[in-house]
Formats: sequence, C-alpha cells, structure tokens
Amino acid sequence: GAVVSQHPSWVICKSGTSVKIECRSLDFQATTMFWYRQFPKQSLMLMATSNEGSKATYEQGVEKDKFLINHASLTLSTLTVTSAHPEDSSFYICSARRRGHVGEQFFGPGTRLTVL
Amino acid sequence: AQRVTQPEKLLSVFKGAPVELKCNYSYSGSPELFWYVQYSRQRLQLLLRHISRESIKGFTADLNKGETSFHLKKPFAQEEDSAMYYCALGAGGTSYGKLTFGQGTILTVHP
Repeated sequence: GAVVSQHPSWVICKSGTSVKIECRSLDFQATTMFWYRQFPKQSLMLMATSNEGSKATYEQGVEKDKFLINHASLTLSTLTVTSAHPEDSSFYICSARRRGHVGEQFFGPGTRLTVL
Repeated sequence: AQRVTQPEKLLSVFKGAPVELKCNYSYSGSPELFWYVQYSRQRLQLLLRHISRESIKGFTADLNKGETSFHLKKPFAQEEDSAMYYCALGAGGTSYGKLTFGQGTILTVHP
C-alpha cells in the first residue's frame, strides 16, 4: 500500500510553454502533498507544501506564479510550470503524507522535465 | 531553522565490511529523524525512522541528542546496499510534516 504515482514520467517542451505534472496517491488519502526539485546528484529541495482544498505554501525563493500548485482532492495534486525556460529543466518529485500518519512521506517516481 | 548535514558525499566499502553513514542535524525542537534510500532508477523510499527503533535490511540508526547525530550503521555491507542514502529531519510547529533532507551519501559496496 501507500503508492504515489506521477504523470508524465518525462516531458520535453519548448521554451515559453507550460507543463503540468500530476501527482496521485493511488491507495490512500493524502492530507498533504509535497513538491520537490532535484538537480543531478544533489539533494531534494522542497518547493512547496500542498494541502487539500487550500492554497499551497511555498518555500522561500520559489516563485508562486511560476510554479502553480493545485490540490483539488485528497488523492491528486498538480504542479504547473508556467512559461518554462531551460533553467527550469530538472527532476520534479512529489510525495504524500497519509491521513493519520505523521512524519513519513511516500514518494512518487519523479518527472524529468527538459525545456528546450 | 533546521539543517541536516551528511559529511560524506561518497562512501565505498567492500562486501562484508561494516558501514556507517553519518548524519548530524540542527533543530531547536524535538526532532523526528528518518533515513531514506534511493536505489538506482527507483524512487525514494523510507529505510527507517528513529521512532520505531527497528532494524531494516540489517541497518540500524540511533538518535544521539547530545551529539545531534543519527548515524546509519550496518555491520556487514552487501552489494545490494549500494544506493543513495538521505538523512531527513521532520519538522514540527508551523512546518509540521515537512522534511529537510541532507545532501545524501552515495554508498558503493564492492564485491
């Protein structure tokens, strides 16, 4: 149990376009979802925390208008990279915290975004 | 502010040798600490958490509040232990549920 999926697993887009990444908890209700960014051979950098039905909380230095997060239900959160540029190319990972379970996060497989 | 430090970016050992991956943290509250592992081409997954005090795949980690450390240990490393290991600190208060990750340590176990 506690599986998190992400779609797409990879995406290539042109500079200036917007890209949407979905994060789903498949077999549990996720009260909170987190979005991370990971550069090659580096650690995960938390971008934002997303609670169902409320606005996302962004970490310092993360542009809200650039990275739009929507947490429409207890099983789905989306990250939209608006007007993507080459510097947005990265590995984006989501995780979910299960209702009633503190601490542990369940991670998705990640989405590789390449902006040309 | 919370911080997690993993001083070793790379760690190599031979099969059967003991291994210790270091993790130090900085946090003013009561910490909740985790070790996550990422095998090649796989997602990040929880290895163990200090609260449960269990041994997973032969790994153990003890929280030492005096030294603010949560080192991961295994007495006899196996080749399948080769992976990236992240130490993570769970925050409380207004940051409840967030994890702060260390930089990660790539463990390579040679045959």
